[in-house]
Amino acid sequence: AQSVTQPDIHITVSEGASLELRCNYSYGATPYLFWYVQSPGQGLQLLLKYFSGDTLVQGIKGFEAEFKRSQSSFNLRKPSVHWSDAAEYFCAVAGPSGGYNKLIFGAGTRLAVHP
Amino acid sequence: GAGVSQTPSNKVTEKGKYVELRCDPISGHTALYWYRQSLGQGPEFLIYFQGTGAADDSGLPNDRFFAVRPEGSVSTLKIQRTERGDSAVYLCASSLAPQETQYFGPGTRLLVL
Repeated sequence: AQSVTQPDIHITVSEGASLELRCNYSYGATPYLFWYVQSPGQGLQLLLKYFSGDTLVQGIKGFEAEFKRSQSSFNLRKPSVHWSDAAEYFCAVAGPSGGYNKLIFGAGTRLAVHP
Repeated sequence: GAGVSQTPSNKVTEKGKYVELRCDPISGHTALYWYRQSLGQGPEFLIYFQGTGAADDSGLPNDRFFAVRPEGSVSTLKIQRTERGDSAVYLCASSLAPQETQYFGPGTRLLVL
């Protein structure tokens, strides 16, 4: 069955520090890959997505992610974190086995930012 | 323009009662999705509509859950004989077409006492 693993439940970084959030997936083929962010009381907002092509994807708010097929990973990065980045981050996949319209989410990583 | 809206934002009900949750998708979006997010978890897919028809309802947990989209726009998720385990945030999303980016609403927080 398709699954998404986000190994880090909670991460704390200092403002201005770099950030990497990990995401690993289990899928029979290369799926579509997504990162969403959820702030308290807000809906899920799409940060970036990978369908095909260049494996380094640029998103909104200065985020980027790299698809590594050999590692079944799609890690999210940001070179310098801002206090407003504190939120919960979800990695998601969709693909032929489950249907491209069915997003399968990881359990999320909660990011705290220290001033 | 306006995003996906969901009403009510919060719903408290008693075990055994019937509830309806409403989703207004972004205007012109043909695809609509329902997800459920339990505390500390990522969203879980429930059902996907293309137009008026349910194209994939494989995520509905049992026959107490039902969803409709009679005119291809607004959708209602209906839960019969609610149980405490149904307590969760119910999220709705829409996309311009199938396989396009899904835009999420703020969710309805359901609490079953």
